[in-house]
Amino acid sequence: AQSVTQLDSHVSVSEGTPVLLRCNYSSSYSPSLFWYVQHPNKGLQLLLKYTSAATLVKGINGFEAEFKKSETSFHLTKPSAHMSDAAEYFCVVSDLLAGANNLFFGTGTRLTVIP
Amino acid sequence: KAGVTQTPRYLIKTRGQQVTLSCSPISGHRSVSWYQQTPGQGLQFLFEYFSETQRNKGNFPGRFSGRQFSNSRSEMNVSTLELGDSALYLCASNPIVAGGTDTQYFGPGTRLTVL
Repeated sequence: AQSVTQLDSHVSVSEGTPVLLRCNYSSSYSPSLFWYVQHPNKGLQLLLKYTSAATLVKGINGFEAEFKKSETSFHLTKPSAHMSDAAEYFCVVSDLLAGANNLFFGTGTRLTVIP
Repeated sequence: KAGVTQTPRYLIKTRGQQVTLSCSPISGHRSVSWYQQTPGQGLQFLFEYFSETQRNKGNFPGRFSGRQFSNSRSEMNVSTLELGDSALYLCASNPIVAGGTDTQYFGPGTRLTVL
């Protein structure tokens, strides 16, 4: 079965400090992993995607994530938080055997950025 | 290219009524998936349509149904509305190219309130 666990429901950082949003996944096979961001009253925007190429994936807006198979983790990081980063972040897994378009979402991490 | 569009953006209905939501995918995308987002259950997969056929379905009651037209536009219908159906309904489209990505691109959602 496929699933993701986002280890923190809420993360608060000061503007200009690093961001770390943690995600662990469970998948029977080699998964595709994604991070999406959702700003208030908006849809989901893709930040980045891992598909078994490079383990360090660079996304938009300075975000990146590292796939670590031994730890079954896919944590999202950013060196310096900006006020506009305040949003809800979702770690997502898909599995070809389950149907590539059936995404399994984590429960989300709300990022607050303190000025 | 225009993004995924969903109409209407907001909807208020009463219990027992039915509702139809519409989704227009990105031009050239043939797969459309629907998701329900609620504070309690998070983001959950409803179903996916490809070439006018439902090819994947989540764990929702039969009151939830959908269809896809030859131009790839999709509708979802919820009959006999219940209070618990109040949610943000998100549509996502996927290009489904051979050997390509399973990345889904989301619309802004339809906010359904059931009174």
